[in-house]
Amino acid sequence: DAGVTQSPTHLIKTRGQQVTLRCSPKSGHDTVSWYQQALGQGPQFIFQYYEEEERQRGNFPDRFSGHQFPNYSSELNVNALLLGDSALYLCASSLQGSSYEQYFGPGTRLTVT
Amino acid sequence: QKEVEQDPGPLSVPEGAIVSLNCTYSNSAFQYFMWYRQYSRKGPELLMYTYSSGNKEDGRFTAQVDKSSKYISLFIRDSQPSDSATYLCALYYGNNRLAFGKGNQVVVIP
Repeated sequence: DAGVTQSPTHLIKTRGQQVTLRCSPKSGHDTVSWYQQALGQGPQFIFQYYEEEERQRGNFPDRFSGHQFPNYSSELNVNALLLGDSALYLCASSLQGSSYEQYFGPGTRLTVT
Repeated sequence: QKEVEQDPGPLSVPEGAIVSLNCTYSNSAFQYFMWYRQYSRKGPELLMYTYSSGNKEDGRFTAQVDKSSKYISLFIRDSQPSDSATYLCALYYGNNRLAFGKGNQVVVIP
């Protein structure tokens, strides 16, 4: 049973640059959520995608955008990177209607210098 | 007031001891209560979830929910060094997102 996969594992970017993170959901899942986890903190919800549309959004600026593809995989894009965007970015997948049961990928660690 | 409060203070216990973790929350609309385990530099792993007040057991793990007090707990019996991790509580009330606590770092000493 293929779990949630994310790429890349980690990357380093410079302030002002743009970054794209990728996620493939667990087999059979159709909904993808993205979270940001700063060091020593719990994950913070960014947004959720279902049927290729953003269904819910957390308290993040529109520098954060996403996309979901017909095969349910998803991308998270962050523009105009700030030092404060340095964090672990987590993708979680679930079944529509069961968003309480979310399964997480290993995350992408982003460092902004 | 934060939605979910979890005392992040590290907890060190000897192997075989019972680990007790808890979270409090402010929004009575929360319906589902989850516990995740996160090893260092890894993604959170869903341990268990409960819907109603009361206890739910899964092997050495017991989740307890008291909706009247807005208080949830996780107990780990016969703790092992492999249980050393950060434990996160997460709550859900139907708005498609999980609300997490800060996490509790647990160290089980052999």
